[in-house]
Amino acid sequence: QKEVEQNSGPLSVPEGAIASLNCTYSDRGSQSFFWYRQYSGKSPELIMSIYSNGDKEDGRFTAQLNKASQYVSLLIRDSQPSDSATYLCALSHGGSYIPTFGRGTSLIVHP
Amino acid sequence: EPEVTQTPSHQVTQMGQEVILRCVPISNHLYFYWYRQILGQKVEFLVSFYNNEISEKSEIFDDQFSVERPDGSNFTLKIRSTKLEDSAMYFCASSRDEGQPQHFGDGTRLSIL
Repeated sequence: QKEVEQNSGPLSVPEGAIASLNCTYSDRGSQSFFWYRQYSGKSPELIMSIYSNGDKEDGRFTAQLNKASQYVSLLIRDSQPSDSATYLCALSHGGSYIPTFGRGTSLIVHP
Repeated sequence: EPEVTQTPSHQVTQMGQEVILRCVPISNHLYFYWYRQILGQKVEFLVSFYNNEISEKSEIFDDQFSVERPDGSNFTLKIRSTKLEDSAMYFCASSRDEGQPQHFGDGTRLSIL
C-alpha cells in the first residue's frame, strides 16, 4: 500500500514569506514525485516534478527530495495571496506511472 | 494552450440510474485517465486507457464502471447503477506518453440523490 502523508493544515504565512510544505511516504520503491496545486473546486494542476535526491528549482518553487528519509517538500518563496490553495503531494512507483495522491495541505497566504 | 474539457460540469442523478461523464482529451495525447475526489478526500485513481483498452485500474473501478472511446475525440466514463457513495468530483486527465505530466480537466461534479 502506497501511503502519502501530508499535514492537512491550514498553513498560514504572510505575503512575501517562504511557505514550506512537507510530505512523507511509505513506499521505498517510489521513484517519481509530484506537487500539484488545487484551488477550491478546481482540478489539480502540476507545478513540480522531481525524480532524484536533492533540490529542483522552478521560479519561486523549489522541490526537495530525500529518498533515504522518505520525504519530499515544496518551498514557495515570496508567497503571494494567489498561492493560497491546497497543495497535493503525489508519487508513483517504478512499475506504474499512476500517481498516488496525499490529502493535501491547505496554504493560506495573508496580505 | 490545449486543454482537457469535461461535460457536464455538474450532473445530478437519482440513485440507481446510469450516468455517462464525457471528456475530450488533448488531441495529441495517447493516455487517458479518470480520477475521482470525494469532497474533502484524496484524489483517487480509477482507470487508465491506452490504445483502446484499459491499461490499469484500481479497486474502486468495479463492474459498475466502464470506459469507452466511442470516436476519435471523446473519452467517457459510465456508471451503470449509481449509488449515493458515487457522489464526487470526477476528473479526466490525459498525457502524451506514459510517465509524462497529466493534464486534468475541470471535472464533473456528480451528485447522487
